[in-house]
Amino acid sequence: IVMTQTPLSSPVTLGQPASISCRSSQSLLHSDGNTYLSWLHQRPGQPPRLLIYEISNRFSGVPDRFSGSGAGTDFTLKISRVEAEDVGIYYCMQFTISLSFGQGTKVEIK
Amino acid sequence: EVQLVESGGGLVQPGGSLRLSCAASGFTFNTHWMSWFRQAPGKGLEWVGNINPEGSGSNYVDSARGRLSISRDNARNSLYLQMNSLRGDDTAVYYCFVHGRPPYWGQGTLVTVSS
Repeated sequence: IVMTQTPLSSPVTLGQPASISCRSSQSLLHSDGNTYLSWLHQRPGQPPRLLIYEISNRFSGVPDRFSGSGAGTDFTLKISRVEAEDVGIYYCMQFTISLSFGQGTKVEIK
Repeated sequence: EVQLVESGGGLVQPGGSLRLSCAASGFTFNTHWMSWFRQAPGKGLEWVGNINPEGSGSNYVDSARGRLSISRDNARNSLYLQMNSLRGDDTAVYYCFVHGRPPYWGQGTLVTVSS
C-alpha cells in the first residue's frame, strides 16, 4: 500500500493550527473491522514516536492538541495550536496490509 | 509495559553479514505479527519485512529479498534479522515492530556498511 502525504513541508506559526493529510492507495479497513492507520512524530536524532493509532486514538502521554480523523483511504492529523516542541517530521503509517509509511511532512516554525 | 530492544548492529564491510536481534517483553509475543523497518541517514521510514506469529511465513521488500531473512523464537520472545551480502544502501537504523493495538517499536540499532 502506497501512502501519500501532503504537504511535504509546512511552515507554521506558533499558536496557530496545522494539518497534514495522508492518502492510501487502497482502503485501510481491515477484515477485523479496525483501521490500522497511525501518525508518528520524529525529532532529529531520535527514533519516531507514536502519536495517534487506529485513526484517532491518542497514545499515552500525547497532548490533546493532537487529533486524528478519517476513514477508508483519507486521513488527517491536526494540531490545534502548534508549540515549539512540535517541530520535526510527521509520518503516517499503516499496517492493515504489511507495513508502510508516508514520505514524511516537515513541520517548522515560520 | 511493552518493550522491544534491538541489538547486534555495527560496522560491516560490503558483502558481509550481520544478525540483528530484538528482545520482546510485556505482551504475548507468539500471537503477534512482527516486522523490521529501517531508516537510512537523512531518509524516511522503510519496511524491510515481516513474519507471522508462528514463524512459518515471511515477506520482504524487493530490495531485501534473497539477502535478508527474518526469523523468530517464540520460546525466547525474540525476533531476528539475518542480513547477508550487505550493501552500502543497507546502512540504516533498524527497528523491530510489533503489529499491535497500539503498535510498538524499539529504539533501533545502527547498521553501517562501509569499507
